[in-house]
Amino acid sequence: DAKTTQPTSMDCAEGRAANLPCNHSTISGNEYVYWYRQIHSQGPQYIIHGLKNNETNEMASLIITEDRKSSTLILPHATLRDTAVYYCIVRVGLTGGGNKLTFGTGTQLKVEL
Amino acid sequence: EPEVTQTPSHQVTQMGQEVILRCVPISNHLYFYWYRQILGQKVEFLVSFYNNEISEKSEIFDDQFSVERPDGSNFTLKIRSTKLEDSAMYFCASSLQGVMNTEAFFGQGTRLTVV
Repeated sequence: DAKTTQPTSMDCAEGRAANLPCNHSTISGNEYVYWYRQIHSQGPQYIIHGLKNNETNEMASLIITEDRKSSTLILPHATLRDTAVYYCIVRVGLTGGGNKLTFGTGTQLKVEL
Repeated sequence: EPEVTQTPSHQVTQMGQEVILRCVPISNHLYFYWYRQILGQKVEFLVSFYNNEISEKSEIFDDQFSVERPDGSNFTLKIRSTKLEDSAMYFCASSLQGVMNTEAFFGQGTRLTVV
């Protein structure tokens, strides 16, 4: 699996967009980029994933660069409840089961008033 | 919204005792997982389970660990003889398909404390 690099921590003002970067320069053509978050020792929560196109859902947007070596997760209007550790995970998109998620140390996002 | 439920939320056990952590995955999901997180450390994969058998396991998942889906709804993790270093949050997860095709849903975890 491709290794990812994320900043250790970031701050964001409430109501502003939070842009969380992730570098995955060794990503292969069949590897997806996944984002999960973990709010204060709760179970991780899926946010979004993508292969090469930008993706958007009700929680966030995912922007993947054209060379796919980096991506940015965007929370358009961050709230205090978005304070969490955000994990960028790169993994092959297999069709079978048993595909584990390998969590790194992630980015601690702190949303402040 | 469907969710993965885990019981108990907190379990304290003496070293050397057996513990069983219980999980009820989302009802139509086919793939089941256990992860653990030692305090202050990363979330670590333990095991994945599909079609009534283990499909993948990590080095952590040694002979002291076992998993079972006893009745078609519960998914359990058994630690045969607990050690102090087994103290951690244990998260169960499930997914409709293999986790790379759909999202994995995680439970809120069981905090295991071995004394």
